Amino acid sequence: GAGVSQSPSNKVTEKGKDVELRCDPISGHTALYWYRQSLGQGLEFLIYFQGNSAPDKSGLPSDRFSAERTGGSVSTLTIQRTQQEDSAVYLCASSLGGGAGNEQFFGPGTRLTVL
Amino acid sequence: GQSLEQPSEVTAVEGAIVQINCTYQTSGFYGLSWYQQHDGGAPTFLSYNGLDGLEETGRFSSFLSRSDSYGYLLLQELQMKDSASYLCAVRSVTWSWGKLQFGAGTQVVVTP
Repeated sequence: GAGVSQSPSNKVTEKGKDVELRCDPISGHTALYWYRQSLGQGLEFLIYFQGNSAPDKSGLPSDRFSAERTGGSVSTLTIQRTQQEDSAVYLCASSLGGGAGNEQFFGPGTRLTVL
Repeated sequence: GQSLEQPSEVTAVEGAIVQINCTYQTSGFYGLSWYQQHDGGAPTFLSYNGLDGLEETGRFSSFLSRSDSYGYLLLQELQMKDSASYLCAVRSVTWSWGKLQFGAGTQVVVTP
């Protein structure tokens, strides 16, 4: 596609429910990233994929968070047993490679609200 | 530890010049990037400095001084559409290549 797409754009859920957030990167981009942005804050790194493997999961806040990538393309971020502090905008980005200076292209984000 | 600091807000009039500073304390610092984010929008890449000095891209320039652990983004001939948050981000050789640490962002408000 023309850009990174994410779905859903908005998700409202109840505390304790599981949610899945989807990211479709730009075709041909081997690197994919997930970030979280809370109101008025900068972007918080969550996880980085190179192909289907995740060399860096250091930003995942707890074991309730997991992510996978299949076919070197689509990625899903899953949050189990959601908590109110999980409320944020979840942004996905992709790049041609993971090397320094490689511009990251961001999707529009999924706004998650946990009631 | 790791830290990244930038001012929270800067206000300027159309046509003016604005400099947004970013200071970092990053072990194994490798490079500094700048992104622009309009309200409710996705961040978009502006520039990357891997070496000391000035990088110029149209009305925007970015500077890095490794010895001072400092960089800045210079916005010239400000336009109303430049009202946005500007995020600096660092890479480190001690992290994976894919990891960027972002600052909290500087909100630039352009007034007529």
